[in-house]
Amino acid sequence: SQQGEEDPQALSIQEGENATMNCSYKTSINNLQWYRQNSGRGLVHLILIRSNEREKHSGRLRVTLDTSKKSSSLLITASRAADTASYFCAPDTGRRALTFGSGTRLQVQP
Amino acid sequence: EAGVAQSPRYKIIEKRQSVAFWCNPISGHATLYWYQQILGQGPKLLIQFQNNGVVDDSQLPKDRFSAERLKGVDSTLKIQPAKLEDSAVYLCASSPISGRSTQYFGPGTRLTVL
Repeated sequence: SQQGEEDPQALSIQEGENATMNCSYKTSINNLQWYRQNSGRGLVHLILIRSNEREKHSGRLRVTLDTSKKSSSLLITASRAADTASYFCAPDTGRRALTFGSGTRLQVQP
Repeated sequence: EAGVAQSPRYKIIEKRQSVAFWCNPISGHATLYWYQQILGQGPKLLIQFQNNGVVDDSQLPKDRFSAERLKGVDSTLKIQPAKLEDSAVYLCASSPISGRSTQYFGPGTRLTVL
């Protein structure tokens, strides 16, 4: 299966803390993408990390990729209430459309 | 650049009725996707178009769902007849090319079947 599985299913933190969520997958990939979904909205692309990259930064986001372990992590530093959302990883094999797991529901308490 | 447009945003129907959703992808995007997202779950791909041809419809319940993409631009997804379990958010997404490419999602249509 191309689908990624996010862990934990739910995460609750205080504003200002860091949030880490993990993704595991089973197939070889070209890249892995992370998306955010605010309640009642569509998914928004956050960051793409290619299979030959190990770490990538974008603002307060840090993504790592370990292709030998078929896993990725998304770190959000200095979280804000506005970061409250569901986060999905999407391993991209280049052969099919992206498939999504159930996501990690992040709640940032003000 | 305008994003992916979807309409309607909300729809309430009774079971056995029919319903149609519309999607206008980002201009120039060749690939269009329809996803179904049931509450508490991730989006599940229903169908993928490349221009106006179907690339993948393996998870589309073809006995009741149909989709078309005329002239490789706008797309409609239809359900006829609807069942209670079709209650979900229907998301449309587009990307410049198939695979190896970021997908851009619309706001979705929330369908409630009573």
